[in-house]
Amino acid sequence: AQTVTQSQPEMSVQEAETVTLSCTYDTSESDYYLFWYKQPPSRQMILVIRQEAYKQQNATENRFSVNFQKAAKSFSLKISDSQLGDAAMYFCAYRKTSYDKVIFGPGTSLSVIP
Amino acid sequence: NAGVTQTPKFRVLKTGQSMTLLCAQDMNHEYMYWYRQDPGMGLRLIHYSVGEGTTAKGEVPDGYNVSRLKKQNFLLGLESAAPSQTSVYFCASSYPITSGRQETQYFGPGTRLLVL
Repeated sequence: AQTVTQSQPEMSVQEAETVTLSCTYDTSESDYYLFWYKQPPSRQMILVIRQEAYKQQNATENRFSVNFQKAAKSFSLKISDSQLGDAAMYFCAYRKTSYDKVIFGPGTSLSVIP
Repeated sequence: NAGVTQTPKFRVLKTGQSMTLLCAQDMNHEYMYWYRQDPGMGLRLIHYSVGEGTTAKGEVPDGYNVSRLKKQNFLLGLESAAPSQTSVYFCASSYPITSGRQETQYFGPGTRLLVL
């Protein structure tokens, strides 16, 4: 069965600095999707970035980028120029292409220090 | 375009009571999902539906039932609530990946349920 692990329950970063959140996953599939979701105190789940496993190029969305290492089954999220509004729970998630359930990691709580 | 909405936002139940959570989406999505979120455990899939009239079990289906009588609605029922079902419940919807459309799941705002 697929699993998603986030080894950092809590992280903190100074405003304007860069932080990297870690995620590893386990799968025997070769084609799949990976996501990072943000959950602020409002509890709304917001998609931050997604990556298709067949693409070697790392996805980027403004200040958010990923480091996708397929062989190592690693999918880390880098947040550059951190802002106070980035403070939230961040969930790494996996979705097998042919089977549409999404499996979430336990989350990392990110604090941004002014 | 309201996206995904959930009713109610918050509810308190006594052990043994029943209730139904309603999820509605106006994006014409085929797939809908119910998750529960508990501290330190991320989101766990309860049940899901790949189309009107079809439902399937997820990771933690025990104690819950679902129905998808209309494409836009997905109901989650608790027949006899237990304290272990105290949680935050999220509904989500998406196009199927085979549609060639975006595979991202769109989430509702959540329902907080407290079972005493």
